[in-house]
Amino acid sequence: QSVLTQPPSVSGAPGQRVTISCTGSSSNIGAGYDVHWYQQLPRTAPKLLIYGNNNRPSGIPDRFSGSKSGTSASLAITGLQTADEADYYCQSYDSSLSGRVFGGGTKLTVL
Amino acid sequence: QVQLVESGGGVVQPGRSLRLSCAASGFTFRNFGIHWVRQAPGKGLEWVAVISDDGSNKYYADSVKGRFTISRDNSKNTLFLQMNSLRTEDTAVYYCAKDDYDLLTGPSDYWGQGTLVTVSS
Repeated sequence: QSVLTQPPSVSGAPGQRVTISCTGSSSNIGAGYDVHWYQQLPRTAPKLLIYGNNNRPSGIPDRFSGSKSGTSASLAITGLQTADEADYYCQSYDSSLSGRVFGGGTKLTVL
Repeated sequence: QVQLVESGGGVVQPGRSLRLSCAASGFTFRNFGIHWVRQAPGKGLEWVAVISDDGSNKYYADSVKGRFTISRDNSKNTLFLQMNSLRTEDTAVYYCAKDDYDLLTGPSDYWGQGTLVTVSS
């Protein structure tokens, strides 16, 4: 069981908007630690998508955005494309575990 | 461009040891912390360990503490993971990942392609 909780799957039609939640606790997200998001396309390594809650690395389109509030964070994807089909992971730091923690991952299906 | 290339994976029996390597290029290796993150078949990501830029600080996940040792050779731009007393549950693809701006609370901005470790009798 992951320290950060994500829905196992989400889906949407091309062009639509979806959100993926990441729920933590007072020892990680709720303690103020940043949340980061990764995209993992099938059979590839993870790729940084959002860092510091709501910042996009160079080259990441503005269709991807992040937010954080309290003990939770969210990743929003607008204008869904078939190329967005992937697994998405949130990551933060947990002070009780003294280490990085990941969410269990969410599989995005573009219908 | 930044490149991280893992090697050393393979099939090993429970209780045996294995050493992974990660060769880095395209950035000033000695200035950045580096992580090991693993992914069991069909499962999610699990953080394993991190080492600071100069090797003076090391942190481990509870699941590997006391069995795995992370180290680095800055003269050769290479990261290592010595894995002892391997268990079947250590079977996974092991990624090395470059730290971006904070050793523990920040993200990893570049990842290697991974190396598969299979622990089986």
